[in-house]
Amino acid sequence: GNSVTQMEGPVTLSEEAFLTINCTYTATGYPSLFWYVQYPGEGLQLLLKATKADDKGSNKGFEATYRKETTSFHLEKGSVQVSDSAVYFCALRNAGGTSYGKLTFGQGTILTVHP
Amino acid sequence: EPEVTQTPSHQVTQMGQEVILRCVPISNHLYFYWYRQILGQKVEFLVSFYNNEISEKSEIFDDQFSVERPDGSNFTLKIRSTKLEDSAMYFCASTAGTGKVNEQFFGPGTRLTVL
Repeated sequence: GNSVTQMEGPVTLSEEAFLTINCTYTATGYPSLFWYVQYPGEGLQLLLKATKADDKGSNKGFEATYRKETTSFHLEKGSVQVSDSAVYFCALRNAGGTSYGKLTFGQGTILTVHP
Repeated sequence: EPEVTQTPSHQVTQMGQEVILRCVPISNHLYFYWYRQILGQKVEFLVSFYNNEISEKSEIFDDQFSVERPDGSNFTLKIRSTKLEDSAMYFCASTAGTGKVNEQFFGPGTRLTVL
């Protein structure tokens, strides 16, 4: 079955530091890959996505590249801000067929950014 | 901007009691989901619902759970006889379709505490 593994957290950084959160996956077929973010007291929001190999998703300075050869989708940001403090979830989805769109999530990584 | 809403934000109940968690998906969406996250663990898929019936469910979704879309706007999750291990954050999500371009939108969650 499908599975997603994220790097263990929590991650604590100073403002303007470089961020990497590792994500690897196991899936059948050609899944779409996602990063969701959860700010305190809010629901999960889609941060970025990639739907095929070598696609790069990007949003708000965050990037992730769909690497089929290493089954990875690592999240990066060159310079984090205090406002980026949140929980980040990597997820995958098999499109269409009989999957009905369910998402398979990693365990989440808590990011705290200090001024 | 349309959003998924969930009520209540926090529900405390006694073991063995029935609870109903409520969600209002985005109005033109067709696919509906419940996920849960036990504290410190992964977000897990529970069930998907399409065309007024369950389309897929996980092994977690046993006979104690049921879902309903009673009036074309609400989408509810009922737990018939709660157990301590049902304590978790429950997220509702909806989407217009299951293709690669379709995003799942999440509600803010209901925190269920079973005493």
